[in-house]
Amino acid sequence: QQQVKQSPQSLIVQKGGISIINCAYENTAFDYFPWYQQFPGKGPALLIAIRPDVSEKKEGRFTISFNKSAKQFSLHIMDSQPGDSATYFCAAPLGNTDKLIFGTGTRLQVFP
Amino acid sequence: GAGVSQSPSNKVTEKGKDVELRCDPISGHTALYWYRQRLGQGLEFLIYFQGNSAPDKSGLPSDRFSAERTGESVSTLTIQRTQQEDSAVYLCASSLFWGQLSYEQYFGPGTRLTVT
Repeated sequence: QQQVKQSPQSLIVQKGGISIINCAYENTAFDYFPWYQQFPGKGPALLIAIRPDVSEKKEGRFTISFNKSAKQFSLHIMDSQPGDSATYFCAAPLGNTDKLIFGTGTRLQVFP
Repeated sequence: GAGVSQSPSNKVTEKGKDVELRCDPISGHTALYWYRQRLGQGLEFLIYFQGNSAPDKSGLPSDRFSAERTGESVSTLTIQRTQQEDSAVYLCASSLFWGQLSYEQYFGPGTRLTVT
């Protein structure tokens, strides 16, 4: 069963600090790697995604870094804020399909 | 515009009863997904509909689970003879499909199912 391995499971960061979440995937034919953000009681919402003809994509305080040879990608949240406290999921396409397999999630808590 | 909607938002049912969950995707989205999310857990894929193609049912955990979709609109997920382990949030997502691929999935708020 193909998996996407996500770490850490939980993360506590001081306000203003950098939050880093990592994911590793298995073979996939399609280069599309999204991150989803989920607040309690809500459905996940697409945060940022990369189609890696580049190794990095930045949107505001959020950056995806991608390492194709290592089959790894990570989410960096700069200047973390209490409002960023949520669960974050990475995802990768399954095999040679476009169906997404999600990581197990990282619960981020940002304290003031 | 309107996002993905799901109903009911909460459902409490007795063990052994059947339940039906509804998903209204974003208009024009041809791909529709159902996921299950147990408390504090990740997203477990259940089933995928794309246009008129046969649905991908590979994630359905047992034959008690089934889903239908009417054209490119509403989908219903049915769980027969519910068990306590079915208690979870059931999430629906839809996406555009172009070429051979669908990408960004837009999620609904989910239906929280509690089996007593």
